[in-house]
Amino acid sequence: GAVVSQHPSWVICKSGTSVKIECRSLDFQATTMFWYRQFPKQSLMLMATSNEGSKATYEQGVEKDKFLINHASLTLSTLTVTSAHPEDSSFYICSARLAGGGTATGELFFGEGSRLTVL
Amino acid sequence: RKEVEQDPGPFNVPEGATVAFNCTYSNSASQSFFWYRQDCRKEPKLLMSVYSSGNEDGRFTAQLNRASQYISLLIRDSKLSDSATYLCVVNRGSYIPTFGRGTSLIVHP
Repeated sequence: GAVVSQHPSWVICKSGTSVKIECRSLDFQATTMFWYRQFPKQSLMLMATSNEGSKATYEQGVEKDKFLINHASLTLSTLTVTSAHPEDSSFYICSARLAGGGTATGELFFGEGSRLTVL
Repeated sequence: RKEVEQDPGPFNVPEGATVAFNCTYSNSASQSFFWYRQDCRKEPKLLMSVYSSGNEDGRFTAQLNRASQYISLLIRDSKLSDSATYLCVVNRGSYIPTFGRGTSLIVHP
């Protein structure tokens, strides 16, 4: 199957700093990537849909100025948590679909996730 | 009402048992449906798509009931390795995937 690589896997940072998470599709092109956040024992909550070459579409309640998403190429999307605070501590995970056909079938390929801890 | 609802469980079953999970969705215009499996602290992985006519993959059977807006997953002859969280995923308009909170399955010897 297709491979999505996410980096870093773990990050611990001080409150007020910014953290960038990268999501790469290694062997396919992804016009659309999704960013999710998952708190313990909760479902994956969609934060935003990232489209290559255009602005991300954010879900209601997600601050676009706090969670900056850039999808500059067909193989890379980044999520930057700006001025992170302890309540931003969570598991962030990206997923991608194959470009072109297949949106109806829609299998998602997930990155390994990034566990963020803000002290 | 949440877009996608699942009973979080846990479902605690012995090896060899048959277990079924349901998932309801609120948007009648939902386009496609999937079951994903997520192991603890890992990323979700596709288990199977759910087709209108129902589909089977080995010990796993998925069903879709559009009239009642639910999908189901049946696992026969449970194995210890089936222990995981099973996530229901529904693609709403523009094929945006929405996840249920997952159903936890524990298979014990």
